[in-house]
Amino acid sequence: IAGITQAPTSQILAAGRRMTLRCTQDMRHNAMYWYRQDLGLGLRLIHYSNTAGTTGKGEVPDGYSVSRANTDDFPLTLASAVPSQTSVYFCASSDSRLAGVSYNEQFFGPGTRLTVL
Amino acid sequence: LAKTTQPISMDSYEGQEVNITCSHNNIATNDYITWYQQFPSQGPRFIIQGYKTKVTNEVASLFIPADRKSSTLSLPRVSLSDTAVYYCLVGGINDMRFGAGTRLTVKP
Repeated sequence: IAGITQAPTSQILAAGRRMTLRCTQDMRHNAMYWYRQDLGLGLRLIHYSNTAGTTGKGEVPDGYSVSRANTDDFPLTLASAVPSQTSVYFCASSDSRLAGVSYNEQFFGPGTRLTVL
Repeated sequence: LAKTTQPISMDSYEGQEVNITCSHNNIATNDYITWYQQFPSQGPRFIIQGYKTKVTNEVASLFIPADRKSSTLSLPRVSLSDTAVYYCLVGGINDMRFGAGTRLTVKP
């Protein structure tokens, strides 16, 4: 089934630990994104990637890193987790090449619920 | 930054038409306007996208005035299953802002 998968579904993590959230898409989309969603704040962009090999910072990048070694995978790493990183994390992808505009329809994964204690 | 402003919540009844307006006063020339729907415990789902004037698909219409400083999502004859949070999104890949969205509650 085409789409985006995220792993794990949920995770409880001790503060100071390193954690990588996985995201894989099989739609061959060039662009991928990571968002976090906190209650009452909507979604905020953490990092994005226009194409394999390139990444960029979004609205709230501090404390997070990403890599884009290939088209399909876009992992998000928390080097040393803190309680303020407790959130629901969504990965998304889009094919921004279709209409020549900055981005198009984004397809979202099911999310990862992360709790940092 | 491409910032949007929407009402926090709206109530409606089944069968009614619902219009949700989004303000985006500093929209850039190249920015499209996109609306998403989100149900609890799920990722957002694309509804409709437009640049100017009116766009219609099988689920909604999007009205954009000439100055593009606002847009209105129109949901015809809503049902209980349309209860969700609706987000207006503008901006390029590195300055997109979802905002808090509009929580629509459809009542029987």
